[in-house]
Amino acid sequence: NAGVMQNPRHLVRRRGQEARLRCSPMKGHSHVYWYRQLPEEGLKFMVYLQKENIIDESGMPKERFSAEFPKEGPSILRIQQVVRGDSAAYFCASSPEVRGRNTEAFFGQGTRLTVV
Amino acid sequence: GEDVEQSLFLSVREGDSSVINCTYTDSSSTYLYWYKQEPGAGLQLLTYIFSNMDMKQDQRLTVLLNKKDKHLSLRIADTQTGDSAIYFCAETKIYNQGGKLIFGQGTELSVKP
Repeated sequence: NAGVMQNPRHLVRRRGQEARLRCSPMKGHSHVYWYRQLPEEGLKFMVYLQKENIIDESGMPKERFSAEFPKEGPSILRIQQVVRGDSAAYFCASSPEVRGRNTEAFFGQGTRLTVV
Repeated sequence: GEDVEQSLFLSVREGDSSVINCTYTDSSSTYLYWYKQEPGAGLQLLTYIFSNMDMKQDQRLTVLLNKKDKHLSLRIADTQTGDSAIYFCAETKIYNQGGKLIFGQGTELSVKP
């Protein structure tokens, strides 16, 4: 059972371009989370998705950022018109159906976005 | 509110015990977690504790939970240089449909030979 797969591992974009970050959850996991880690900071929650549904997007910036988790295929975090402040490591995590309130989540290796 | 707090740095000598502390805010969190992040890598789940427990031991790791004070600690016995990493504690926020993790800022553990 492969772990959570994120690609690309490193992404360089010029200001104003679009960044697309992909996350394939572990097999059998229906919950996906995206977190952002800025240099020298902790992990900030961005969005929580289940298949075809956004459960909680309270951590997503109101503009330029969007996320989806379609019925088929990976979850995508999309950042339009990137700015230097978007440079960060973006981590995806997945978990199975939540049983007994245990939300144990498994993390991918992250995508390190650099905006130049 | 959602606020998990940790001290930012801890330095110990190899062979000593390390104690990393964390305070959380959501008293309804039923599970609390410790994750480890090595440089350039993702987060690795180390251990978790159910809120009706006050201690959990797993080899060199001991988790202590004081639910009254909302205080969580991770003790690493016989700390090794390979334990140098950032350690995150996390609490859970539960929804009807599932739950999410809220992380602290992370404690950077430096182990000196």
